[in-house]
Amino acid sequence: ETGVTQSPTHLIKTRGQQVTLRCSSQSGHNTVSWYQQALGQGPQFIFQYYREEENGRGNFPPRFSGLQFPNYSSELNVNALELDDSALYLCASSSPLDWGSTDTQYFGPGTRLTVL
Amino acid sequence: KQEVTQIPAALSVPEGENLVLNCSFTDSAIYNLQWFRQDPGKGLTSLLLIQSSQREQTSGRLNASLDKSSGRSTLYIAASQPGDSATYLCAVTSGTYKYIFGTGTRLKVLA
Repeated sequence: ETGVTQSPTHLIKTRGQQVTLRCSSQSGHNTVSWYQQALGQGPQFIFQYYREEENGRGNFPPRFSGLQFPNYSSELNVNALELDDSALYLCASSSPLDWGSTDTQYFGPGTRLTVL
Repeated sequence: KQEVTQIPAALSVPEGENLVLNCSFTDSAIYNLQWFRQDPGKGLTSLLLIQSSQREQTSGRLNASLDKSSGRSTLYIAASQPGDSATYLCAVTSGTYKYIFGTGTRLKVLA
């Protein structure tokens, strides 16, 4: 059983550019959630995808968008990058079978995005 | 709106001490509470998960308690070691398929 993987590990962009981050969910999981963690803060929920559809969204502007693919891997896209988008981006996978019993999400190692 | 607070924000202790980290939440209608460890620049490692119907969970030197009615949880670390140095985060879920995290406690255990 493989865990959650993310790519790339680190990324440097400039203001106004666009970025795509990738996440492969743990085997058997069809739900992926994305979180943004600014330096010194706790992770903040961005959105969740379940069976290729957005299934809940946090307080993030529309320039944060996502996709989920038939193999349940996912992308996070951020357009028109701003300096405040610099953060660690975490993805987490889960199975709906766990919700209501354990509500457990399994986190990947994250992608560190720096916007200059 | 659920808010999660962790106190203290930072803690420095000598090796061997027993310590307690605190987590409080404003809405007691939670499904579970989970404690995570995060090493600098890394992802999250789950330490303990407490279901809303449970009062505590134990794993090795770690013990987490939950008091839903007062909106509080504590993480107890016995006989601390330098390898315990990390940021500890608590998070709650409320059936909305997302975690709400606190800002964490940065722990440093001195050899």
